[in-house]
Amino acid sequence: QKEVEQNSGPLSVPEGAIASLNCTYSDRGSQSFFWYRQYSGKSPELIMSIYSNGDKEDGRFTAQLNKASQYVSLLIRDSQPSDSATYLCAVLNSGNTPLVFGKGTRLSVIA
Amino acid sequence: DTEVTQTPKHLVMGMTNKKSLKCEQHMGHRAMYWYKQKAKKPPELMFVYSYEKLSINESVPSRFSPECPNSSLLNLHLHALQPEDSALYLCASSQEGGMNSPLHFGNGTRLTVT
Repeated sequence: QKEVEQNSGPLSVPEGAIASLNCTYSDRGSQSFFWYRQYSGKSPELIMSIYSNGDKEDGRFTAQLNKASQYVSLLIRDSQPSDSATYLCAVLNSGNTPLVFGKGTRLSVIA
Repeated sequence: DTEVTQTPKHLVMGMTNKKSLKCEQHMGHRAMYWYKQKAKKPPELMFVYSYEKLSINESVPSRFSPECPNSSLLNLHLHALQPEDSALYLCASSQEGGMNSPLHFGNGTRLTVT
């Protein structure tokens, strides 16, 4: 059973702080890792993808991957109230199986 | 704005009705998906089409019937649904093959079964 684990939250951070969202996965064969943002009542939106160990930065977002520890994280710098949403971690392994989603972490940025 | 278009945005149907959800993408993607999402839960995979052929059916009840008329279109036919089928239905697409294939979701159809 391929599993992706996330803390459901809510994670509350003050405006301007760094929000750190974490995800662990069970399948060592996993190759691709994605973060989706989902506002309440809306569909998931892809915000980051990462495929190799290390950090990947895109604007205020940084994804971090450590395959040895089977751990992927998302950092949001200078958090804004508009970042308040549920963040879904999704993992793809090397086979033809579809994405496996975590249950999501609800982030609340307090103004 | 999403490049995967779903219609309708909202649908209310009775348990004896027959309705269809529609999805269209023009990104040249060869894999298309239907997901069901209940409140405060992650998306739950229902069906996957790869090159217009059904490749995955996650033991979905037969009252849900998918159809892929061509590589750009995906339908979900609904018949004799139950109130517990009320949910957000998401269509997604991805490039087929390779590991760098994230899903791109449509805006979803909010379905209410009365």
